[in-house]
Amino acid sequence: ETGVTQTPRHLVMGMTNKKSLKCEQHLGHNAMYWYKQSAKKPLELMFVYNFKEQTENNSVPSRFSPECPNSSHLFLHLHTLQPEDSALYLCASSQNGLAGDNEQFFGPGTRLTVL
Amino acid sequence: QQQVKQSPQSLIVQKGGIPIINCAYENTAFDYFPWYQQFPGKGPALLIAIRPDVSEKKEGRFTISFNKSAKQFSLHIMDSQPGDSATYFCAAKWGAQKLVFGQGTRLTINP
Repeated sequence: ETGVTQTPRHLVMGMTNKKSLKCEQHLGHNAMYWYKQSAKKPLELMFVYNFKEQTENNSVPSRFSPECPNSSHLFLHLHTLQPEDSALYLCASSQNGLAGDNEQFFGPGTRLTVL
Repeated sequence: QQQVKQSPQSLIVQKGGIPIINCAYENTAFDYFPWYQQFPGKGPALLIAIRPDVSEKKEGRFTISFNKSAKQFSLHIMDSQPGDSATYFCAAKWGAQKLVFGQGTRLTINP
């Protein structure tokens, strides 16, 4: 596996279900991100992790719960979601540093549908 | 304002034409302006980027023009090909990691 991988690629869940999205990066990076991509809206940053520590929560509802057990893996735990949460969820990683452009590399995303 | 406004939403160009996508911003703290290309079923991929101290950057057929005083930047694709058909996003970064994205432009290059 190379780059950033995400599983599953597609997920359909009911509003009362609990599910998890998984992201793994094979780039040796130390920062990982969750983004939400909705139709006709800009990508929205949700969470940022640096060296396994959450450093950014962009006012995301508590029904989304991230977990970063190590610098290579990132999860997004989902529970009691709403239909408006249906979107493409993208994971990204970067090599964080005090200087530099810190290019973010994106995975292919998980297409989530909430019924 | 942590926003980047992108236009047009969609664009259709004949092969060989020069599509131009425009972005505007307000926040002068932005210090890095990347463009991403996204194909269906894929995540966005960095295409080209520029810093505000440079007025133009060219990589292959892709050129960014940057107007710092107007707070605008644009992407030009020279000799466009059907394989360039994708959604393009401009973005702006402030701090070490915070990227703000434009709404995206769906580009179609007709053969």
